[in-house]
Amino acid sequence: QVQLQESGPGRVKPSETLSLSCSVSGDSIRGYYWTWIRQPAGKGLEWIGHIYTSGNTRYNPSLKSRVTMSVDTSKNQFSLKVTSVTAADTAVYYCARGDWAFKSWGQGTLVTVSS
Amino acid sequence: AIQLTQSPSSLSASVGDRVTITCRASQGIGSALAWYQQTPGKPPKLLIYDASTLESGVPSRFSGSGSGTDFTLTFNSLQPEDFATYYCQQFNIYPYTFGQGTKLDIK
Repeated sequence: QVQLQESGPGRVKPSETLSLSCSVSGDSIRGYYWTWIRQPAGKGLEWIGHIYTSGNTRYNPSLKSRVTMSVDTSKNQFSLKVTSVTAADTAVYYCARGDWAFKSWGQGTLVTVSS
Repeated sequence: AIQLTQSPSSLSASVGDRVTITCRASQGIGSALAWYQQTPGKPPKLLIYDASTLESGVPSRFSGSGSGTDFTLTFNSLQPEDFATYYCQQFNIYPYTFGQGTKLDIK
C-alpha cells in the first residue's frame, strides 16, 4: 500500500519561497500523477496542481506563475515550490496520488507564512 | 473555474438517520465528481468517484448519484463514525475544484 509523507519548513517568511517534498513509499512513483492540495485552517480544499512522472504539469491559475512542481524518480519523491508567499499561503499542504480523484494522501504539513 | 456549492453547509442528525447532502456545479461536469470525508486533523478520504462509484472498502450505506450539475451523497442509517465534514470535487475541467464542505454533526 502506497504511503506518502510531506516534509519541509513549517514557517516561511513573507515574499520568500515555500518548498515542500513528498516521499513515496510502498510503490514506485513511476506511471502515476502526483498532486498537491492545500487547506487553510478551518477552510476548504484547494487543488494546487499535479505532475506526471514524465514531468508534465498542470497548475491552478489562481496561483498564477508562482508554482513549480518537480519529480525525482531516483528518490521516489516529488516537490512543490511556491514563490513570493503571503499570509494567504498559510495552510496545511497535502500531497496525494492521482490525477482526478485522490485515493492516497499524505498526513499533511502545516506551513505558516510569518516574519 | 467551476464553482461547486454544497448544501447544507452544516447539518445535525442522529445515529440511524438517513441523510442527503447536495452538490451543485456552476456548469455541467458529466459524472466527473468525487466525494470525500474528512475528520479533524486527518486528510480527506475518498468515498465515491464518477458520481456514484463506491471506493473499495467504503461501507455500502454511502451512495452517490447525479450527473450534469446536480449531485447527491446519501447516508443510509448514519453511524457514529460518519460525523465528519464532507467535500465534493469536480475533475471534469481544470482547475479541479472542491465544494466548501458540509459539516455533519450529532444532534
